[in-house]
Amino acid sequence: NAGVMQNPRHLVRRRGQEARLRCSPMKGHSHVYWYRQLPEEGLKFMVYLQKENIIDESGMPKERFSAEFPKEGPSILRIQQVVRGDSAAYFCASSDRLEDEQYFGPGTRLTVT
Amino acid sequence: AQSVSQHNHHVILSEAASLELGCNYSYGGTVNLFWYVQYPGQHLQLLLKYFSGDPLVKGIKGFEAEFIKSKFSFNLRKPSVQWSDTAEYFCAVNTHTGKLIFGQGTTLQVKP
Repeated sequence: NAGVMQNPRHLVRRRGQEARLRCSPMKGHSHVYWYRQLPEEGLKFMVYLQKENIIDESGMPKERFSAEFPKEGPSILRIQQVVRGDSAAYFCASSDRLEDEQYFGPGTRLTVT
Repeated sequence: AQSVSQHNHHVILSEAASLELGCNYSYGGTVNLFWYVQYPGQHLQLLLKYFSGDPLVKGIKGFEAEFIKSKFSFNLRKPSVQWSDTAEYFCAVNTHTGKLIFGQGTTLQVKP
């Protein structure tokens, strides 16, 4: 049973470009979560999605960030017009049910130059 | 606001020493509690979890944690650490909303 998969593992973007981060949850999991880890900080919740629905986006910056989890295909975290402050590790997790443990992917390390 | 606090940011121990990492959370309702570990270059892995029942839970690799409801604490322990336990440890709380609230993490360095 493959774990949570994320790609790319490393992404370099210049200021003003767009970044697209992909996450494929574990087989059978319908709950997907995105977290961000800034240098020297713990993981911060960004968004919680189920298929075709955003359940909780209380941790998402109001501008430039969006997320989706379409009926077919991976979940996408999209950052438009990236700035240096967006440089971080972005982790995706999935779970079978709301209360269950979340299984994490290897993360995407975004560097904005 | 809900929050999780880990008291030790950086811990250095010699092999065979005992370990205790503190974790406190602020939330008045029912919670599920977790400890995750991140070994160098790897992704987060679940060490152990508490949902209900016996407040003393055992996890992988000899780790255990005790939930003390009156103190809002969920401290992680291991009687004898090994060099391979060198990693970053995260305490996390799920308030049944789906999202995990993480502590800042504790970096454990075990000297051989």
